[in-house]
Amino acid sequence: AQKITQTQPGMFVQEKEAVTLDCTYDTSDQSYGLFWYKQPSSGEMIFLIYQGSYDEQNATEGRYSLNFQKARKSANLVISASQLGDSAMYFCAMRGISSGSARQLTFGSGTQLTVLP
Amino acid sequence: DAGVIQSPRHEVTEMGQEVTLRCKPISGHNSLFWYRQTMMRGLELLIYFNNNVPIDDSGMPEDRFSAKMPNASFSTLKIQPSEPRDSAVYFCASSRDRERSPLHFGNGTRLTVT
Repeated sequence: AQKITQTQPGMFVQEKEAVTLDCTYDTSDQSYGLFWYKQPSSGEMIFLIYQGSYDEQNATEGRYSLNFQKARKSANLVISASQLGDSAMYFCAMRGISSGSARQLTFGSGTQLTVLP
Repeated sequence: DAGVIQSPRHEVTEMGQEVTLRCKPISGHNSLFWYRQTMMRGLELLIYFNNNVPIDDSGMPEDRFSAKMPNASFSTLKIQPSEPRDSAVYFCASSRDRERSPLHFGNGTRLTVT
């Protein structure tokens, strides 16, 4: 079974500052993918960034980067130079390589990020 | 390219009525997922299809819920009869069947059962 834990229900950050959103995971799969999604107040689910379990480099996409520590089973999202439009719920998720139910995306409970002007 | 298309965007119905939610996945994606989102339970997987075949329906709450995928470009989620506790946002998502592939979500259907 796969499990994603996000321990920060809410976070605040000052505009233009960087912020780290925590995510830890548990899985028996040797190969898996880790994803971050953003859900603004309008409700849509927006894919942000992906990290493969065998990727040697930490993933980056613009202002988003992933601090991946495989031994610690953590995949924290770093948002640099926060903008007011970054205020949203952020979900960490995992997808396994095993067939069947592991192929689904298992979500954490989310972190509500508020960017302060 | 068009993303995942869901209809309707909003549905308000009375308890006991049948509700049908529709989804058109992204062309070329062979996996389709139905998720439900509530404040209390977060995002829950209801059912997952691969190549139009249901793979995991363990998240379907009870027999009142059913899902079909008659072809690669269409899926439905039906609730009959609906109950107030079914009120939620229902998302459809599609992807390629690889652990590296992100799920692409539709805009969701907000269901309110009164």
